[in-house]
Amino acid sequence: GAVVSQHPSRVICKSGTSVKIECRSLDFQATTMFWYRQFPKKSLMLMATSNEGSKATYEQGVEKDKFLINHASLTLSTLTVTSAHPEDSSFYICSASEIHRGYEETQYFGPGTRLLVL
Amino acid sequence: DAKTTQPPSMDCAEGRAANLPCNHSTISGNEYVYWYRQIHSQGPQYIIHGLKNNETNEMASLIITEDRKSSTLILPHATLRDTAVYYCIVRVVGGTSYGKLTFGQGTILTVHP
Repeated sequence: GAVVSQHPSRVICKSGTSVKIECRSLDFQATTMFWYRQFPKKSLMLMATSNEGSKATYEQGVEKDKFLINHASLTLSTLTVTSAHPEDSSFYICSASEIHRGYEETQYFGPGTRLLVL
Repeated sequence: DAKTTQPPSMDCAEGRAANLPCNHSTISGNEYVYWYRQIHSQGPQYIIHGLKNNETNEMASLIITEDRKSSTLILPHATLRDTAVYYCIVRVVGGTSYGKLTFGQGTILTVHP
C-alpha cells in the first residue's frame, strides 16, 4: 500500500514553455500533498503544500505564479511550471499524506520528475 | 521542529547489521522521529517512525533512547540495495505544524560486498 505515482518521469522542454507534472496517490486518499525540488547533490526543499479544494501554501522564496499547483481531488495534485527557464531544471518530487490511527501522519513520496529546460 | 545531527557517511558489509545514529537533543515532547531514505535519482522512501517506544517493521528497527535525545535506525541484514542517503527527521505531529518534513544532509550509507 501507500503508493504515489508521478507523471512524467522525465521531460525535456524548450525555454518559455509550460510543463505540467501529475502526482497521484494510488491506494489512499490524500487531503494534503506536497511538492519538493531537489538540485544535484542537494537535499530536498519543500516548495509548497497542497490541500484538496483550496489554494496551495507556498514556502518563502517560491513564486506562486510560476509554480501553479492544483489539487482537484483527494488522489491528484498537479504542478505546472510556467514559462520554464534553464534555471528551473531540477528534480521535482511530490508526496502525499496518509493518516494513521486518526492522528499520525506519514508522507509517501513519488518517484520524481526530472525536468530539463533547454 | 528540532534539528538533527547525523554522520555524513557510513560503510557496512553486506549481510551485517547497519546501525545509523541520529542525535536530536532538542526534541520536544510532541515531536516524532521519522526515517526516510533516498536511493540515487529516486523519490525518498518512508522507513519507520516513532515517538518514544522502540519500533520494528519489515524494513528496519528504530531504537529511541529513554531521554529521546538520540535514536538509531537498524537495518538487520544490509544488502547492496540498501546503499542510499538516510534521513533522520524530527517533526511535530498534530497542530498547525503538521505535515512539514525538513530534510537535512542525511547519512550516505554504502553497503559493500
